[in-house]
Amino acid sequence: GAGVSQSPSNKVTEKGKDVELRCDPISGHTALYWYRQSLGQGLEFLIYFQGNSAPDKSGLPSDRFSAERTGGSVSTLTIQRTQQEDSAVYLCASSLDAPGTGGDTQYFGPGTRLTVL
Amino acid sequence: DAKTTQPPSMDCAEGRAANLPCNHSTISGNEYVYWYRQIHSQGPQYIIHGLKNNETNEMASLIITEDRKSSTLILPHATLRDTAVYYCIVRFAYSGAGSYQLTFGKGTKLSVIP
Repeated sequence: GAGVSQSPSNKVTEKGKDVELRCDPISGHTALYWYRQSLGQGLEFLIYFQGNSAPDKSGLPSDRFSAERTGGSVSTLTIQRTQQEDSAVYLCASSLDAPGTGGDTQYFGPGTRLTVL
Repeated sequence: DAKTTQPPSMDCAEGRAANLPCNHSTISGNEYVYWYRQIHSQGPQYIIHGLKNNETNEMASLIITEDRKSSTLILPHATLRDTAVYYCIVRFAYSGAGSYQLTFGKGTKLSVIP
């Protein structure tokens, strides 16, 4: 079946511009997660959605970052006034059920590579 | 979550079994062992997970020692497309804050050689 999809696959923007990154989770998955991965680094957790609610936004680096999820499906991560240190691969994952249940294995999308010039 | 230790790199001949070890000596009773891999420039790919018993799926087998302090991921017939960094992680099977925040260590870079 279809996996997690993300768009765009690559985004080059100028410092100070706003960007929107999109994630389409696996159909029927209730939980959605955003991470970012800088070159050669590990995963950095950003935010977790259960349905349309975000119980954990603790990983968002600053108030320039925001995310929403609508209809319990698609999610958008928005970065305002981008900075060069925002350059990274932004990864989205989804799981069938909420954390702590038997169906909380996270499946990742291909990522969006963001480059801020 | 318990810390894991993996060798930094391994080679495997194409067509042979790749056996990737992972030590997790401080694992607790309610922590699962998960394996993911990341092929260059792609998102992490889930492979398999287990709690106590050995597990097998279409991709791999997971062998967990009886004391649960170590495990081995087995790719039965490695192909060139299996060249990737393989991550072993342990995570709690409960919904406490942070239990779902996956963190990868440095993993094992597996090179499958023709």
